[in-house]
Amino acid sequence: QVQFLQSGAEVKNPGASVKVSCKASGYIFTAYYIHWVRQAPGQGLEWMGWINPNSGATECAQDFQGRVTMTRDTSISTAYMELTSLRSADTAVYYCARTWGLDVWGQGTTVTVSS
Amino acid sequence: DVVMTQSPLSLPVTLGQPASISCTSSQSLVHSDGNTYLNWFQQRPGQSPRRLIYKVSNRDSGVPDRFSGSGSGTDFTLNISRVEAEDVGVYYCMQGTHRPPWTFGQGTKVEIK
Repeated sequence: QVQFLQSGAEVKNPGASVKVSCKASGYIFTAYYIHWVRQAPGQGLEWMGWINPNSGATECAQDFQGRVTMTRDTSISTAYMELTSLRSADTAVYYCARTWGLDVWGQGTTVTVSS
Repeated sequence: DVVMTQSPLSLPVTLGQPASISCTSSQSLVHSDGNTYLNWFQQRPGQSPRRLIYKVSNRDSGVPDRFSGSGSGTDFTLNISRVEAEDVGVYYCMQGTHRPPWTFGQGTKVEIK
């Protein structure tokens, strides 16, 4: 079945960077875009951006431009999302999800930013 | 950006009774290709979101038929015909017509009375 396995929880200091991975299985990795969505504690869902695993093209939300980099390694069917210049407001669970309709989600990666 | 507004934000329901969640968009969600890209998601406590409905009214595989979606233009509804205990959680609508960005409603928390 289609599933995503995300990397483990991270604790970072303000100003640091974090890189979250999302390993796909059960389908052809390059056939569907992968999106990133985050959820701050007790809050709703916020779309961050997408990557086309076939071409490597990306697009991200205006709020994250200049701070987020999305990449992929097709040899291991894995997408990555790196967020830099972390601040406390970036404390959240980060999810990867498949295609425009977000039909399948990863289990989430908790990122805590704290000094 | 398209703003998605859900109501109510909290919905206490009795087991076996129906429930309805409204989602209104700040502009029509009819795409130039004729589709309406409005989805519904369920997030149970401590879990990842799960898609229930795509393009207004299409149920995802494995989703019980007590869940149904309807609407058009700017007004959409998620209905649960008879609420069960496993339906407790937060429900989100999301639009993918005017992208980027994809935008979500604030969420509606469904709980059992």
